[in-house]
Amino acid sequence: EAGVAQSPRYKIIEKRQSVAFWCNPISGHATLYWYQQILGQGPKLLIQFQNNGVVDDSQLPKDRFSAERLKGVDSTLKIQPAKLEDSAVYLCASSFNTGLSEKLFFGSGTQLSVL
Amino acid sequence: GENVEQHPSTLSVQEGDSAVIKCTYSDSASNYFPWYKQELGKRPQLIIDIRSNVGEKKDQRIAVTLNKTAKHFSLHITETQPEDSAVYFCAASRSQGNLIFGKGTKLSVKP
Repeated sequence: EAGVAQSPRYKIIEKRQSVAFWCNPISGHATLYWYQQILGQGPKLLIQFQNNGVVDDSQLPKDRFSAERLKGVDSTLKIQPAKLEDSAVYLCASSFNTGLSEKLFFGSGTQLSVL
Repeated sequence: GENVEQHPSTLSVQEGDSAVIKCTYSDSASNYFPWYKQELGKRPQLIIDIRSNVGEKKDQRIAVTLNKTAKHFSLHITETQPEDSAVYFCAASRSQGNLIFGKGTKLSVKP
């Protein structure tokens, strides 16, 4: 089966610029996650969707980060404006359901460098 | 909320030796404990997981043990090989909860 697709693979921007990441989960997976992984740390959840509804966005810095999953499939994560501390790998993951603790399938991530 | 501590942060072993990585968690309601392997520049991939109704699970050279009373769980890799070199992350979650990851252990297996 096809895996979780993410683009772009790399992005370099200057601080205060905007950036958007795209994710296409595994077909049939209802739950989609965006994680931020800062170098040398474990992934930290930013937002979780169940179909097109938000389940948890408690750790999303809403003053600058936004995410949507309009049709319950693809998702975009946006940062506006970016700060130096946003430099990280942004990982998208999906799972079949969120009813029980489920295996997460991760994408390859987008490596963001903010200069 | 849940907090997951992982030790050691780096681990170097000789090929053929065993490696053990330990994690502790704070939320007694957590009931799912996966381990992910992340090779340099690649995506995290699940290698083994355990649920709170089981004390131990084994898959070939990899095993995970869980002590619910002490709130800690461990990953054991036997007969290590150079291709086991990677960063390993433990994680914990409760039902319908989000995975909280540890900070990772960089395992180096020397041939």
